Amino acid sequence: EDQVTQSPEALRLQEGESSSLNCSYTVSGLRGLFWYRQDPGKGPEFLFTLYSAGEEKEKERLKATLTKKESFLHITAPKPEDSATYLCAVFSNTDKLIFGTGTRLQVFP
Amino acid sequence: GAVVSQHPSRVICKSGTSVKIECRSLDFQATTMFWYRQFPKKSLMLMATSNEGSKATYEQGVEKDKFLINHASLTLSTLTVTSAHPEDSSFYICSARSLIGGPYEQYFGPGTRLTVT
Repeated sequence: EDQVTQSPEALRLQEGESSSLNCSYTVSGLRGLFWYRQDPGKGPEFLFTLYSAGEEKEKERLKATLTKKESFLHITAPKPEDSATYLCAVFSNTDKLIFGTGTRLQVFP
Repeated sequence: GAVVSQHPSRVICKSGTSVKIECRSLDFQATTMFWYRQFPKKSLMLMATSNEGSKATYEQGVEKDKFLINHASLTLSTLTVTSAHPEDSSFYICSARSLIGGPYEQYFGPGTRLTVT
């Protein structure tokens, strides 16, 4: 059974304090790993897709990396507006997007 | 590009009534749309997958007679919660698969908050 586990569950950072969010997965045939940002009361906002181990993608202060077992979302010098829940999801041979439970990030000025 | 809208954003209804939620892909055609449900501080739970012009495929444990899904066109899918009860209160989110980006990328709507009194 496909599984996605995110850690930590919650993360509090000082503005400018870089850190990483983890997404571990076990799937039957990974077709893609996705990162989304979700603000309270809103739908998920697409950030990145990673397709194969070794792939990296960057967008502003965010960088996503992928290995055969896990993905990391690195946040460099975060700002308060980066506060949100970050969701990881995998797409496998089941043809479904399976989500982790997310990491709630709070960045304080 | 790849914008998905939902309507309404919030709805309050009385127990026993039915509620329809619309999901539209605004700037692309979506052959496949998905409906999710999200409880507070929990992740998204896939309810069903709908393909344009065919019957929806429901996940295990989701009552197809309670949650009616129609995908009548390449830009519109609807979810009707029939005979709603307080336990149906939740945040419902749709998504659409677009071929604009990668082959498996899904773009999500802003969600609909349903409260059944």
